Amino acid sequence: EIVMTQSPATLSVSPGERATLSCRASQSVSSNLAWYQQKPGQAPRLLIYGASTRATGIPARFSGSGSGTEFTLTISSLQSEDFAVYYCQQYNNWPLWTFGQGTKVEIK
Amino acid sequence: EVQLVESGGGLVQPGGSLRLSCSASGFTFSSYAMHWVRQAPGKGLEYVSAISSNGGSTYYADSVKGRFTISRDNSKNTLYLQMSSLRAEDTAVYYCVKVGDGGAFDYWGQGTLVTVSS
Repeated sequence: EIVMTQSPATLSVSPGERATLSCRASQSVSSNLAWYQQKPGQAPRLLIYGASTRATGIPARFSGSGSGTEFTLTISSLQSEDFAVYYCQQYNNWPLWTFGQGTKVEIK
Repeated sequence: EVQLVESGGGLVQPGGSLRLSCSASGFTFSSYAMHWVRQAPGKGLEYVSAISSNGGSTYYADSVKGRFTISRDNSKNTLYLQMSSLRAEDTAVYYCVKVGDGGAFDYWGQGTLVTVSS
């Protein structure tokens, strides 16, 4: 099983600042990496797939990068609605897909 | 508009059974693999089970293997998860999830809560 490790567990950021979230895979997942956002009481929402492609309707302030084992989600200028938990997920080998443990982005 | 609507959750005693359903609309259900993902209260996302578009291939996480059965009825656009020998650690919100063309989970249902408790 591929283990996904996210860091940090919690990120405290002021509105308008940049947030950088990391995700590391225990072995290469190529570019088969997605990022999801989850707000309290809601289902997760797809933000990024293919490591760097924004899903439909996702604002340009969200960007993803990386390949292989190291990935990054960047939120260029945090808005109030961006404070949430973010999960990475690898889908390199159907169906052994795994999630990271999540990074909570909170207001500083 | 893609919609995934789960139902069937509730309170069940340890050792009991429950069947979850997910009614899909807004896309060609029979063309896509479908998945179940769960989230225990206050915890992260856990992958549970998957089924191919025609139902011919299935997968289960080790934590549910032998106790859960995933199935689908493409004529009814419905996904199922039959859960038996339920344990307290199965308590979670269960999400029905569609795989997108890019391979990631592009649509999620609102979730249905399963509580296993005496």
